[in-house]
Amino acid sequence: QVQLVESGGGLVKPGGSLRLSCAASGFTFSDYYMSWIRQAPGKGLEWVSYISSSGSTIYYADSVKGRFTISRDNAKNSLYLQMNSLRAEDTAVYYCARAQAPPGGGGDCYADYWGQGTLVTVSS
Amino acid sequence: SYVLTQPPSVSVAPGKTARITCGGNNIGSKSVHWYQQKPGQAPVLVIYYDSDRPSGIPERFSGSNSGNTATLTISRVEAGDEADYYCQVWDSSSDHQVFGGGTKLTVL
Repeated sequence: QVQLVESGGGLVKPGGSLRLSCAASGFTFSDYYMSWIRQAPGKGLEWVSYISSSGSTIYYADSVKGRFTISRDNAKNSLYLQMNSLRAEDTAVYYCARAQAPPGGGGDCYADYWGQGTLVTVSS
Repeated sequence: SYVLTQPPSVSVAPGKTARITCGGNNIGSKSVHWYQQKPGQAPVLVIYYDSDRPSGIPERFSGSNSGNTATLTISRVEAGDEADYYCQVWDSSSDHQVFGGGTKLTVL
């Protein structure tokens, strides 16, 4: 069965950095786009970033562009999110999700499996 | 940037039909996906590509999309359907994925 397990969350000071990881199993990781989606406490879902199966295509939300970097290691079945220059408004549960891309690729993906999330708290 | 508008809340009696809307400019030209999120849990995909259901999602869940409104319909609502529901599209003009603000479904 598909499993996505996030790790790396925690408490960090404003301006600090954190690296999230997502360990995938139960499917051929290298065949799928992958996403990071976050949810601030008591708020709705916010898309953060996603990466194509090969890693050649990457998209970011405006709110994180230039500060966050998504990457993947298909040999390790792992997805990563490097978060720099963190701000209080980045405080959220971060979900890793498998993204189903349309035939031929492209951005019109939906998340068919989600991890349980990892909490990132940015506070002094 | 593209905006999706959902009603903050919808209430329905058990056994009745709930309709949750998702409004956006010419949303009918886009593919809409819907997620269900129960308290303390990760979201679950309930509808993709406007009206397709993943395996394991009851037939009571259906979707439609036309003009400026997409709709998630839940027939014969059960207490277990009480959750937050989110719509999502891809905005090709900005290369951004967009979520609606979410709708809290209350089963009376």
